[in-house]
Amino acid sequence: ETGVTQSPTHLIKTRGQQVTLRCSSQSGHNTVSWYQQALGQGPQFIFQYYREEENGRGNFPPRFSGLQFPNYSSELNVNALELDDSALYLCASSLGGLNQETQYFGPGTRLLVL
Amino acid sequence: TQLLEQSPQFLSIQEGENLTVYCNSSSVFSSLQWYRQEPGEGPVLLVTVVTGGEVKKLKRLTFQFGDARKDSSLHITAAQPGDTGLYLCAGAGSSSNTGKLIFGQGTTLQVKP
Repeated sequence: ETGVTQSPTHLIKTRGQQVTLRCSSQSGHNTVSWYQQALGQGPQFIFQYYREEENGRGNFPPRFSGLQFPNYSSELNVNALELDDSALYLCASSLGGLNQETQYFGPGTRLLVL
Repeated sequence: TQLLEQSPQFLSIQEGENLTVYCNSSSVFSSLQWYRQEPGEGPVLLVTVVTGGEVKKLKRLTFQFGDARKDSSLHITAAQPGDTGLYLCAGAGSSSNTGKLIFGQGTTLQVKP
């Protein structure tokens, strides 16, 4: 069974640029959630995708957007990067349905905005 | 807005000591999960508790879900240096169709040999 994978592992961007982060869900999982974790804080929910549709969104501006593909992998896009977007971005996959609350996390992508 | 408060935020103890981490809220959660996170890595699931009053044990770790499903605790017996890390509690809301997890701010544990 393959776990959750994310790419890239690290990324450096400058203010105003755009970034795309990628996530492959665990085998058999159809739901992907994205979280932002600032240094020293717990993760904050960005949004979730279930069977290619957005299924809930946290308190993040529209410049944070996402996609889920037919193979259930997912992308997180952030436009017009700001310094405060520097964080660890985590992807978590889950089974959906009755078991949707147990989420398994990938290693994260560390984004630094200069 | 559902919030989870973890305490303490930082804990530094000697090997062999016992400790308890608390996770409290004024909101009811349908389930609560505990994760452990190493620096630069994603959180690793330790346990999910679902039923009010439930107690689960994982070797030297004991997890309890409050009767009202508003709070939880993690107790570690005879802590070892390998237990060092960030411990996170995360609640799934009572209307959890979105699958959103609400995380506490974490407890950083350092176990010194």
